[in-house]
Amino acid sequence: ETGVTQTPRHLVMGMTNKKSLKCEQHLGHNAMYWYKQSAKKPLELMFVYNFKEQTENNSVPSRFSPECPNSSHLFLHLHTLQPEDSALYLCASSQYQGTGPPYSPLHFGNGTRLTVT
Amino acid sequence: KNEVEQSPQNLTAQEGEFITINCSYSVGISALHWLQQHPGGGIVSLFMLSSGKKKHGRLIATINIQEKHSSLHITASHPRDSAVYICAVYSGGGADGLTFGKGTHLIIQP
Repeated sequence: ETGVTQTPRHLVMGMTNKKSLKCEQHLGHNAMYWYKQSAKKPLELMFVYNFKEQTENNSVPSRFSPECPNSSHLFLHLHTLQPEDSALYLCASSQYQGTGPPYSPLHFGNGTRLTVT
Repeated sequence: KNEVEQSPQNLTAQEGEFITINCSYSVGISALHWLQQHPGGGIVSLFMLSSGKKKHGRLIATINIQEKHSSLHITASHPRDSAVYICAVYSGGGADGLTFGKGTHLIIQP
């Protein structure tokens, strides 16, 4: 039990499909993140929400659309994806104090392994 | 943007061996993290340090700020230590200031 739960664990979708990834954290944190992990590449930050407000959008294509309805839930809506979007998508949370390194420690979920066919 | 290099990329060792994984970065930082990722995908934070040395069980992390270098050591390694170990550095500027290395894939054989 990691405290951060992601569903589904695996997802295969066609390029014309619409699907959503879900993340829920049970740690009382006020910041949540989406990261993308592609093979042989470092983790890439996609989106950040602090206190339910989106504060970072790291030049992510519009076919990825985040939603944060409350501080415990985070969604990533997917539509018309490309095969190169196949990757492990990781959700994380942390308690952001407002000063200093705000992203420590990060608590990660187990990720959703996405395959786009 | 900070450049983070980890070495080795892959490491296979026998159970009981002393393991060292290295991380170098290019720009001054305020914090460095060591993370562990198991084959299932989930990532666990092992250490966050900004100076000196930290120890937790068989794991030891050290950092040399002047040399921009950190090491993660595992003593008396065990097959359950097999995982990918990721170094991440924070150099300010919000979430974008956290830069990850590509990871070191460690396999401990019984």
